[in-house]
Amino acid sequence: DVKVTQSSRYLVKRTGEKVFLECVQDMDHENMFWYRQDPGLGLRLIYFSYDVKMKEKGDIPEGYSVSREKKERFSLILESASTNQTSMYLCASSPRPSGKETQYFGPGTRLLVL
Amino acid sequence: SQKIEQNSEALNIQEGKTATLTCNYTNYSPAYLQWYRQDPGRGPVFLLLIRENEKEKRKERLKVTFDTTLKQSLFHITASQPADSATYLCALGDPNAGNNRKLIWGLGTSLAVNP
Repeated sequence: DVKVTQSSRYLVKRTGEKVFLECVQDMDHENMFWYRQDPGLGLRLIYFSYDVKMKEKGDIPEGYSVSREKKERFSLILESASTNQTSMYLCASSPRPSGKETQYFGPGTRLLVL
Repeated sequence: SQKIEQNSEALNIQEGKTATLTCNYTNYSPAYLQWYRQDPGRGPVFLLLIRENEKEKRKERLKVTFDTTLKQSLFHITASQPADSATYLCALGDPNAGNNRKLIWGLGTSLAVNP
């Protein structure tokens, strides 16, 4: 089974702090994604990566950056956390396009910015 | 741009009945459509994928239909159980993303199965 793990389930940070969210997948997937999920807004794509060192902006990249130095690891960075970044963050991975773009999700990190 | 609409109101049904959830899209017909289940505080879990040239797909008590004329997919859970209570998300491939890497997501429909 595909396993996607995220570094923390819950995180509390202060406004202005730099925040790192880590995601690791063990199935050698090419594509990795970072979403945030908020009530009434659904899943919104922040960034995705289709290869090591490659990244593309999603729908809401402002205030975030990402890093993919190794195939299995995709990090989301909040350069200076703000209260409007309080949310549930979900990482996902999917294999090279094969006509079955199933995404496999991690358990999520619930981030609270005070 | 492509938009997805799912029943915004929660669906409450009695155990043993069939639950039917709807996913409507507005523009182009996608190459495929997926359904996911999400439990509170957890990431979505893939359930079924149906392609544009398939009318119906089944997996155990689950059935998905895809009508490209109506621009609609229906998701059925037969003989529903309280354990089926969750939010169900519909997602389409985004052809603008190149090789359909990205998915466009609906907001989900909450299902409650009452014992």
